[in-house]
Amino acid sequence: AQKVTQAQTEISVVEKEDVTLDCVYETRDTTYYLFWYKQPPSGELVFLIRRNSFDEQNEISGRYSWNFQKSTSSFNFTITASQVVDSAVYFCALSELVGEYGNKLVFGAGTILRVKS
Amino acid sequence: KAGVTQTPRYLIKTRGQQVTLSCSPISGHRSVSWYQQTPGQGLQFLFEYFSETQRNKGNFPGRFSGRQFSNSRSEMNVSTLELGDSALYLCASSLDGKEGETQYFGPGTRLLVL
Repeated sequence: AQKVTQAQTEISVVEKEDVTLDCVYETRDTTYYLFWYKQPPSGELVFLIRRNSFDEQNEISGRYSWNFQKSTSSFNFTITASQVVDSAVYFCALSELVGEYGNKLVFGAGTILRVKS
Repeated sequence: KAGVTQTPRYLIKTRGQQVTLSCSPISGHRSVSWYQQTPGQGLQFLFEYFSETQRNKGNFPGRFSGRQFSNSRSEMNVSTLELGDSALYLCASSLDGKEGETQYFGPGTRLLVL
């Protein structure tokens, strides 16, 4: 079965520090998809990025960057120059094919990020 | 495009009652999935609907059910509520629910069972 591990339960940083959130996944599939979502206090899960298993290029979007390494089954997320607005719970997720059609997301436990001013 | 909407946002019920939650997907999205989020179990998949049919179901008791209408709007129902059903219920929509498709989430419904 698919599994996602986010070993860091909570991280506290001071504004402008860089921070990396770790994500390790387990799957037997050769084709799979990974996601990161952000959950602010309001509760809504906000989509950040989707990566398929064939694309190992790192991605940068503004202050956000993602490091995908199949060799270590990791998909880490780095926030550069963190800001108070980055405070949220961050979830890493793996898409699991269910039956012939459809998919479900298998989530990690989440990492609480607190950015202090 | 408007995002996924869920109603109501907050709900308080007592044990034994039943509850119905509603979800309107992003326009054009035909797949709707439901997830339960609790502090103890985290985010867990409940079920997925596509074209008014339940395609997949997670490991939840039969008290949890749902349906989807022809306009892709979905409802989930929990009967005979238990204290452990207190959770944030999140609805997500995607275009066709194919493997790897991005799911976009609504704001959730916070259910408190007393």
